[in-house]
Parts: sequence; structure tokens; C-alpha cells
Amino acid sequence: GAVVSQHPSWVICKSGTSVKIECRSLDFQATTMFWYRQFPKQSLMLMATSNEGSKATYEQGVEKDKFLINHASLTLSTLTVTSAHPEDSSFYICSARDPLIVTLYGYTFGSGTRLTVV
Amino acid sequence: GDSVTQMEGPVTLSEEAFLTINCTYTATGYPSLFWYVQYPGEGLQLLLKATKADDKGSNKGFEATYRKETTSFHLEKGSVQVSDSAVYFCALRGDTGRRALTFGSGTRLQVQP
Repeated sequence: GAVVSQHPSWVICKSGTSVKIECRSLDFQATTMFWYRQFPKQSLMLMATSNEGSKATYEQGVEKDKFLINHASLTLSTLTVTSAHPEDSSFYICSARDPLIVTLYGYTFGSGTRLTVV
Repeated sequence: GDSVTQMEGPVTLSEEAFLTINCTYTATGYPSLFWYVQYPGEGLQLLLKATKADDKGSNKGFEATYRKETTSFHLEKGSVQVSDSAVYFCALRGDTGRRALTFGSGTRLQVQP
């Protein structure tokens, strides 16, 4: 089946620094990548949608200058949390869509990244 | 906007017990409905789906029926196993063109031997 590899699985960083999270589709082409954020005991909230080669579309209330998304190739998308602060501590998870396999496998998710900003 | 509400967990059951995890939704039109499962340390995996009213999705002994009249998509399994312990997410994708999924808050299931 389709696999998305997300790294790192957890990261601790100091306030003010930037953190990059990568998602790679291993055996399919992710024409669309979704980035979600999950707070404890809450739903996964969509942050942004990115299509390969174009700018990401951010959901209302998500700061695009703080959460930089790059989807430069069909197999790699990155989320960079810039100038991180403790309130950015959360669980971030990516989801990839390949229109050729979505009917069979649905949307494929990474394993998530637990970010802790201290 | 679209929303999904599912029962809070954790749900703790003994092996071979019957499982129900409730899920209701709010959406316009005719959304597609999904159940995803997340095992510890892994990504979300599609468990089952239904794309129209009265459809029944099933996989690995789990079932859910798309009930438009009650806007529900409850997950059921007749006999749970310890290996079913995971977090279960109900989700929908609307038919308005937006391709992202809208998730419920997830329900943790713990099955004891």
C-alpha cells in the first residue's frame, strides 16, 4: 500500500528557533499534501493544503509566515515552524493524496511529529 | 461548516466484548464518511469508508453504516481483540470540492485480555 514517511517523530526545540518537518511519499506521487495539527484530546485541525509546484492554501487563522510549507516535488513536502514558541507545541501530521490510488487507499498519513517548544 | 462529533474515550473493554463507537456529522450535501485507525507510533490508516447513504463499510471485522437520516456513521465490531487497541477517528469529506478531511476528536480503545 501507499506509505508516507514523516520525520522527525518527535522534536524538542528552544523558543525562537525553527523546526522543519518532512513528509515523503515512498511509492506514489503526492500531488496534494495536507498538513494537520492536533491538540490533546482534540480533532486533527487542517492547517494548509499544498499542491506540488504551487503555493500552499492556508486555513483561516493559520499564520502562513510562521508555518512555511514547501511542496517542491511530487514526493516531498516540508513544514517549517519558524520562531517557535511554547504555544506551537503540538502534534503535526501530514496526509498525502494521489488521485490514482485514492479510491483504493484513501488519503495516506504520516506517523506524526510531536513538537515540544521549551 | 462541516463537523464530526465522536464519543470521548478512552473506551475500555475486555477481549471478545462488543464495540460501538458513536460518530455523528454535520455537512451539507452528500459527504463521504471514513473511519481511520492509529496504532501506537504509526500514522492513520484507513479502516473503512462509505460514500453514499445506506452504504456499509467493513474491514477486519469492523462495520459502519452511513445513516443519512440520523447523520451517523457508528463503528461496530462484534468481538474485539487486544490487537484492536488503538485510537479511532471518524472523518468526512464534503462534496463541495474541498478535498481535505474533517476529523472527529478520536476515541482511544483499550482492550484488556
